[in-house]
Amino acid sequence: GAVVSQHPSRVICKSGTSVKIECRSLDFQATTMFWYRQFPKQSLMLMATSNEGSKATYEQGVEKDKFLINHASLTLSTLTVTSAHPEDSSFYICSAPEGRDHQPQHFGDGTRLSIL
Amino acid sequence: GQNIDQPTEMTATEGAIVQINCTYQTSGFNGLFWYQQHAGEAPTFLSYNVLDGLEEKGRFSSFLSRSKGYSYLLLKELQMKDSASYLCAVNDGNYQLIWGAGTKLIIKP
Repeated sequence: GAVVSQHPSRVICKSGTSVKIECRSLDFQATTMFWYRQFPKQSLMLMATSNEGSKATYEQGVEKDKFLINHASLTLSTLTVTSAHPEDSSFYICSAPEGRDHQPQHFGDGTRLSIL
Repeated sequence: GQNIDQPTEMTATEGAIVQINCTYQTSGFNGLFWYQQHAGEAPTFLSYNVLDGLEEKGRFSSFLSRSKGYSYLLLKELQMKDSASYLCAVNDGNYQLIWGAGTKLIIKP
């Protein structure tokens, strides 16, 4: 079946560091990918929609300059958390929709980000 | 506004059957999804309904009524490994998913 690979799975770093997370669709092309954030015991929250060849679409309240998204190819999207602070610590998950109707969405394994 | 409602938590016994309900109100509709999420892991796709009726996939079945804005996920022959959160999500027609808060299912021996 369709697979989405997300890397790294876990990051622990100091405050002020920038962290890049990669999301790859391994056996299908994804013109759109989604980035979610999930805090403990809460539901997924969509942060932004990554569009191949164009600018990402950010949800209300998500800072574009802090969460940089690049969708460089039909199989790769990256999320960079710039100058990360402890409040950015969360579980970040990407997904890519598959198929003619762009569904279902397949999820990466997630990245657990801990900022000290 | 857009809204997905599902129970916060349910408890069931190993070997039994459990039904998790989901009601939705969205601006558009292009399918309803159920995902399973174990603690600390990403969601995994379980089922997809776009037409009314029942979709069966092994021990799991999902039902949709578009006129009622209602779906349920039915889990049979429950196993301990089924303890997880079950997320209902609706495609609002713009390729984005509107997510419910999830139902935490606790399976007891």
